Parts: sequence; C-alpha cells; structure tokens
Amino acid sequence: NAGVTQTPKFRVLKTGQSMTLLCAQDMNHEYMYWYRQDPGMGLRLIHYSVGEGTTAKGEVPDGYNVSRLKKQNFLLGLESAAPSQTSVYFCASSYEGGGNQPQHFGDGTRLSIL
Amino acid sequence: GENVEQHPSTLSVQEGDSAVIKCTYSDSASNYFPWYKQELGKRPQLIIDIRSNVGEKKDQRIAVTLNKTAKHFSLHITETQPEDSAVYFCAASFSGGYNKLIFGAGTRLAVHP
Repeated sequence: NAGVTQTPKFRVLKTGQSMTLLCAQDMNHEYMYWYRQDPGMGLRLIHYSVGEGTTAKGEVPDGYNVSRLKKQNFLLGLESAAPSQTSVYFCASSYEGGGNQPQHFGDGTRLSIL
Repeated sequence: GENVEQHPSTLSVQEGDSAVIKCTYSDSASNYFPWYKQELGKRPQLIIDIRSNVGEKKDQRIAVTLNKTAKHFSLHITETQPEDSAVYFCAASFSGGYNKLIFGAGTRLAVHP
C-alpha cells in the first residue's frame, strides 16, 4: 500500500513550457486535491475532484488545468509555465468530503520555472 | 472571506518545555480541525484532529482544544523533544458549497536540546 504517489519529484522548466504532474492513490479514495506550497503561505488549494470524471476550482486555479479520467489518478497540467508557478506541489486524497475526513498527502513535486 | 490565522509563525523552546500554537477561523460552520506536521523536505502528516462536537482531544504528548464560541483552536505539545522540531499547520473545514480545508500559514517549531 503506497498511499499517495507523485511524479516527478523535481522538475525545472523554462517559461512557456508545458508539463503534467501525476498523482496516483491506491486507497480507493473518492476525493483528490492539488495544493501549492509557498514560503509563509501554507497550503493553497488549486483544484480538486470529488470523483472520477469530475473537477472543480479551488482558491488559486489560474494557469492550471486538471483531469480525473480514472478514480486513482489526478493530473495537474501547466499549459504555459510562468516563474510565478515556481512552488512545491502537493497532491492529497481523502475518503469522502475533505472537510470531515483526513487528507493524505504525497511527497510533493518541487517545480522551478526559469 | 474564508480565512485561518495561525500564531506564532516561529516558536523556539527548550527540550522538555511545552509548546502552544493557536489558530483562529472565520467560518462559524466549520466542523473539522486537523493539525499537520511537516518535517523539512517531507510531506505534511496528520498528527491529530478534532471535530466540533468535542472541546478537547489528547494523544500522548499532543492535545488540541477547540473553542467554538471564540472560533479558535490550539495545539499543545508537552515535554517537547528535538524530533518535534518541524513546521506545524492548522486547518479548518469550510462548508461554502463543498467541504474543503483552509490551512494556516504554519508555525516553525524549534526544540533545542
């Protein structure tokens, strides 16, 4: 049981490039989330999903897109990377409504945009 | 708007002392309050949580208290040890159309031997 797995762990991009971050969970959780973590700002919700085939915007969705084609996977895409998107990205999952159940986090992806 | 404020931002204690971190939230409908510990370069890990139907919860050296009237909750760590050194995040659930967690900005705790 690996829990929540994120790939890649590190990536350096040039401004304007695109990439996809992958999150996979093996706990059969319905809810999945993408956060970004910046110094002094805690964790901010980018997008989330309440089940296979669904996605919704969080606090800071601009510049990102997501897809949940399979229940176990949640993809975060950057179509045209900007330096302001340099951050550590965490994926999380929870059994049901994240407000009432613990969220389990992956190890994070450290992304630098030059 | 939805907001969680966390204080202090940094906390330094001597080994064996107690540490207290406080958070306030804005949504009176919040009903779930988890605390996460994040060691350097690692993932946030849940250490304790509390729901709105209880005022206090303990787990060995860690306790959380909740005051719904004042809309604040606190993490208490007793007999601190160097391995308690980490960043601690509080969070509160918000109902606004769907359940989500809003996180505080974090407290960096340093426990000195």
